[in-house]
Amino acid sequence: NAGVTQTPKFQVLKTGQSMTLQCAQDMNHNSMYWYRQDPGMGLRLIYYSASEGTTDKGEVPNGYNVSRLNKREFSLRLESAAPSQTSVYFCASTRGQAGEETQYFGPGTRLLVL
Amino acid sequence: LAKTTQPISMDSYEGQEVNITCSHNNIATNDYITWYQQFPSQGPRFIIQGYKTKVTNEVASLFIPADRKSSTLSLPRVSLSDTAVYYCLVGPRGSQGNLIFGKGTKLSVKP
Repeated sequence: NAGVTQTPKFQVLKTGQSMTLQCAQDMNHNSMYWYRQDPGMGLRLIYYSASEGTTDKGEVPNGYNVSRLNKREFSLRLESAAPSQTSVYFCASTRGQAGEETQYFGPGTRLLVL
Repeated sequence: LAKTTQPISMDSYEGQEVNITCSHNNIATNDYITWYQQFPSQGPRFIIQGYKTKVTNEVASLFIPADRKSSTLSLPRVSLSDTAVYYCLVGPRGSQGNLIFGKGTKLSVKP
């Protein structure tokens, strides 16, 4: 099992460009999450999907959109990138059942917006 | 959601036992306490979870006093590879995205 995979690993964008970060999990998990982590900071939740077909805003959703494409895949889109979105983005998944909330994280996508 | 407070950083030496305490004064009855570990350039990794008293696994122990207003993560005989950031999270089971990671405690293990 690969666990949680993210693509790309690193990306440089110019202000105003758009891009989609991809995330996939092969653990048959119900819930998936997108976080961002700025230097020296903890993780902040952007969006999450409790189950296939549902998405909800987290702490910092502005400037982002998400799509839960199917049970395996959860993508994060930046429509018009801004320098403030320079960060490391982590995707995570959980089984999504009470008592099984352990989050499994991907390796991260490092995004630099110039 | 219960707010947590942890030390920003801690230093230790190889072979020592390290205890990281997390305060969560307004923890709710149905909240659990979970600890994650994050190495540089990696995503966080689950270490341990508990509700009360003591929980132990192959990596760490978690001590929770009767009033549950704090918890202590204990790492026995740390090595250089235990250098990481440790996050304490508090929330109900099934909280689905409402857990807050905070800044964590940066543990530096020296030779």
